[in-house]
Amino acid sequence: KQEVTQIPAALSVPEGENLVLNCSFTDSAIYNLQWFRQDPGKGLTSLLLIQSSQREQTSGRLNASLDKSSGRSTLYIAASQPGDSATYLCAVFGLGGSNYKLTFGKGTLLTVNP
Amino acid sequence: NAGVTQTPKFQVLKTGQSMTLQCAQDMNHEYMSWYRQDPGMGLRLIHYSVGAGITDQGEVPNGYNVSRSTTEDFPLRLLSAAPSQTSVYFCASSQGTRGGTQYFGPGTRLLVL
Repeated sequence: KQEVTQIPAALSVPEGENLVLNCSFTDSAIYNLQWFRQDPGKGLTSLLLIQSSQREQTSGRLNASLDKSSGRSTLYIAASQPGDSATYLCAVFGLGGSNYKLTFGKGTLLTVNP
Repeated sequence: NAGVTQTPKFQVLKTGQSMTLQCAQDMNHEYMSWYRQDPGMGLRLIHYSVGAGITDQGEVPNGYNVSRSTTEDFPLRLLSAAPSQTSVYFCASSQGTRGGTQYFGPGTRLLVL
């Protein structure tokens, strides 16, 4: 059974700091990995999707990397802003034993202080 | 495009009542899914569908029923509500069946008394 772990569970940083969120997964047989953002009381918004054959994806101040063989991904946020405060979730889309299923981590609650 | 829409936004039920949570998407996506989100448990997959007429169980399917008669709609039915089903429910859709970008609805908050 696929398990996804996110570390840390919560993170508080001053504005302007660069930061890294970590995600690990137990089964490397995946189609892709996605990073999402969730604001309080809202749905999830996809930030970046990395296909299993890719190593990284970038969007603006966000960069996500994927090391499928070791079961790890990182989300790098450059020059953090108070508007980046949210919960960040990673999820893997599995094949084989967990076909067609998206498995989520429990998220990292990020607070960026002005 | 409206994207993924969910109704109702909030619902209170009594134990034993039944109800249907509605989900619709206007992006012609093949893959649709339902999740529940609980504090400390994260998002857990209830049911999913890879196309009209095709559904399958996720991690926590007990007490829930789904059908997919059209590409656009994927309703979730609670057969006999229990307090343990108090949660926030999210519907999502994506193009293809191999995990494209997932689009989530705004969620339905359900309270079962």
